[in-house]
Amino acid sequence: DAKTTQPTSMDCAEGRAANLPCNHSTISGNEYVYWYRQIHSQGPQYIIHGLKNNETNEMASLIITEDRKSSTLILPHATLRDTAVYYCIVREVGAGGTSYGKLTFGQGTILTVHP
Amino acid sequence: DGGITQSPKYLFRKEGQNVTLSCEQNLNHDAMYWYRQDPGQGLRLIYYSQIVNDFQKGDIAEGYSVSREKKESFPLTVTSAQKNPTAFYLCASTARVVSNQPQHFGDGTRLSIL
Repeated sequence: DAKTTQPTSMDCAEGRAANLPCNHSTISGNEYVYWYRQIHSQGPQYIIHGLKNNETNEMASLIITEDRKSSTLILPHATLRDTAVYYCIVREVGAGGTSYGKLTFGQGTILTVHP
Repeated sequence: DGGITQSPKYLFRKEGQNVTLSCEQNLNHDAMYWYRQDPGQGLRLIYYSQIVNDFQKGDIAEGYSVSREKKESFPLTVTSAQKNPTAFYLCASTARVVSNQPQHFGDGTRLSIL
């Protein structure tokens, strides 16, 4: 699976949009981008995923660049409860792959939302 | 509500003792996974199962064992051969390994050594 690079930490004011970047310059054609977040002492929570089109759900939006080498997770109106570690993960999808679906978590971005 | 239930939330192991962590899902998922998380680190894959009665070693399987007798259940046993078992253990599931659908996680079991 391709490696990802994220900033170590970011701050955001409550009510403002939080934009979390992720670089995945070695991504291949059958690899999807997934975002998870983890609050201390809890299991990772799935947020959103995509292949090449921008995606939106009730939690967030995912913007993937045209060359697919980077992406941005957008939390449109951050709240204090969004304070967490955010992980950007690239995963190979499809039969014949060797990753057997495992998720490779890096260090992630610590997002702190302040009042 | 559909989801993944891990129990217990906290577990303590004595030297030389085997302990079993429970993972149950009611999402009708074929694939299940066990990960280990150490402080300040990412998740590492211990074992995975693509379907009932099948399971495969992940990246750090030594000292662990699993079974998959039912679709809903994927228990993990931490054996006495695992010399550094203190960690946060996470169970996950997804519809199928080859699917692009995301993995969903339980809330974890924190294992400590007495």
